[in-house]
Amino acid sequence: GAVVSQHPSRVICKSGTSVKIECRSLDFQATTMFWYRQFPKQSLMLMATSNEGSKATYEQGVEKDKFLINHASLTLSTLTVTSAHPEDSSFYICSAPAAQETQYFGPGTRLLVL
Amino acid sequence: RKEVEQDPGPFNVPEGATVAFNCTYSNSASQSFFWYRQDCRKEPKLLMSVYSSGNEDGRFTAQLNRASQYISLLIRDSKLSDSATYLCVVKEGGSYIPTFGRGTSLIVHP
Repeated sequence: GAVVSQHPSRVICKSGTSVKIECRSLDFQATTMFWYRQFPKQSLMLMATSNEGSKATYEQGVEKDKFLINHASLTLSTLTVTSAHPEDSSFYICSAPAAQETQYFGPGTRLLVL
Repeated sequence: RKEVEQDPGPFNVPEGATVAFNCTYSNSASQSFFWYRQDCRKEPKLLMSVYSSGNEDGRFTAQLNRASQYISLLIRDSKLSDSATYLCVVKEGGSYIPTFGRGTSLIVHP
């Protein structure tokens, strides 16, 4: 069964609105979670590392004021895309590190900004 | 961050064929290596880890060449259900943060 859930799985919104995506670890605690973005036919690009109880670490080129990350508990991290624009349309995936250095991925959120 | 490179393909093969993918990495500090499988519009799922001595899991064989900094995945007796994108993933020692290749697309046809 799934060990990381993501909600919503799909969202369509108007340009200028904000969209919140939730990532939850099920049955385990995750002090660290990762947020990725994947455009069609491209690799997963790490956007930021979410740290429970502290600020997220953003990758170069990712605007922290546009992509707000909150890791308020050991099982929940949220990514808010603020003032979304069509170019933000993408597949957003979270993951949490697991044993044996693997990653558990959430099922992803497909965002379409009109 | 250093890169992980893969031939995007697609590799178009008939059922039963043997197909191999390579992946090169540029970060010599890389210590952990994985192959993930990603189906269309789905999240990646771990296929197998890659060990220094090479390892096999059923029809899948993974190998690592540290000197040349590449890893490979061999799929024998391809099935239609093997059609997917195969992602090469590399991590530095002691790091939680993986680096993904862009993936190699495999299409297995009847």
